[in-house]
Amino acid sequence: DAGVIQSPRHEVTEMGQEVTLRCKPISGHNSLFWYRQTMMRGLELLIYFNNNVPIDDSGMPEDRFSAKMPNASFSTLKIQPSEPRDSAVYFCASRWTSGNSETQYFGPGTRLLVL
Amino acid sequence: GNSVTQMEGPVTLSEEAFLTINCTYTATGYPSLFWYVQYPGEGLQLLLKATKADDKGSNKGFEATYRKETTSFHLEKGSVQVSDSAVYFCALSTNAGGTSYGKLTFGQGTILTVHP
Repeated sequence: DAGVIQSPRHEVTEMGQEVTLRCKPISGHNSLFWYRQTMMRGLELLIYFNNNVPIDDSGMPEDRFSAKMPNASFSTLKIQPSEPRDSAVYFCASRWTSGNSETQYFGPGTRLLVL
Repeated sequence: GNSVTQMEGPVTLSEEAFLTINCTYTATGYPSLFWYVQYPGEGLQLLLKATKADDKGSNKGFEATYRKETTSFHLEKGSVQVSDSAVYFCALSTNAGGTSYGKLTFGQGTILTVHP
């Protein structure tokens, strides 16, 4: 299995620009998570989807952030407009929600730098 | 609410030294406990897990025992290698059922550096 795929791996943009991060979960997984990692705040859960439906978006920092999952094999996280404080590594993770299966599988991350 | 506290880092060891990274937790219900490892430039990988009290998770020479009485899940390895250099995260997840949906709560991470 190819694992969780994220693109781009690196993104450098200027303040005010729109940024779109992409994620392809592991085939067959029905739960998807977006995380943000910074030195100051560690790992933060932004949003969680189950069967393509957003279940918990309480971690989304503000209205500039939005996430979609149009089908089981694709999700996007969009920041519009971007700000320097959004600079971080963004991880996508997926999981098969079944019984006691709780293991999340992480992608390699997208390193975002907003100038 | 749920929380995970890891020992302060960074931790620097010589090759073949004994490793302990402390982890304690606060949780409602009966959590599952995890150690994830993040190598430089990569995403997190599951290292080991334990789903109930007194269970021992193990992988690649690493071990951790779920201690309910002390609410701890300390990570140990008898002889570390240079290739073990990474960031280690302790995490918990409440039951996958219900509204908690198995949400992972992470500790702040501990940086481990192993010198030859």
